[in-house]
Amino acid sequence: NAGVTQTPKFQVLKTGQSMTLQCAQDMNHNSMYWYRQDPGMGLRLIYYSASEGTTDKGEVPNGYNVSRLNKREFSLRLESAAPSQTSVYFCASSEALRVGNFGPGTRLTVT
Amino acid sequence: RKEVEQDPGPFNVPEGATVAFNCTYSNSASQSFFWYRQDCRKEPKLLMSVYSSGNEDGRFTAQLNRASQYISLLIRDSKLSDSATYLCVVNMRGAGNQFYFGTGTSLTVIP
Repeated sequence: NAGVTQTPKFQVLKTGQSMTLQCAQDMNHNSMYWYRQDPGMGLRLIYYSASEGTTDKGEVPNGYNVSRLNKREFSLRLESAAPSQTSVYFCASSEALRVGNFGPGTRLTVT
Repeated sequence: RKEVEQDPGPFNVPEGATVAFNCTYSNSASQSFFWYRQDCRKEPKLLMSVYSSGNEDGRFTAQLNRASQYISLLIRDSKLSDSATYLCVVNMRGAGNQFYFGTGTSLTVIP
């Protein structure tokens, strides 16, 4: 039982490059989330998926897209990376009203 | 105004001390409350949920004051291993399944 897994763990991009962050959970949770964490800002919700086939914007969705590929997988895409997207990205999954489990994070630097 | 506010600290306390953190939330319709713990460069992990009647888990006690819109976390007999950042998390009614995080309170327990 791996919980929530994320790839990659680290990434450096140049401004304008694109990339997809992958997330998978094996707990059969319905809801999945993408957060970013910046110093002094706390965790902010980018997008979430309450169930397979649905996605909704969170607090800071601009510059990102998501895909809920199936119940297990929820990916986050940066189409044209900007330095302001330098951050630590966490994927999480939950059931009901519990925030649940987080993945180990992806440390992204955009130069 | 932030949805959830915490004193960032840092709190530096000696081993064996009792320390308390507060967290205030702005939306009176908030429904669920949690404390998470985050170690340096790691993902947040659920410490405990916070129930209306207050709840205890070993050395940790969480309380909710709906009238004043704050939650608290009390740690008794602090251990070196308690050193971490403690995140307050609130779920808003009517916000889908969104959860709002405080910026965290840093605790260092000193030998």
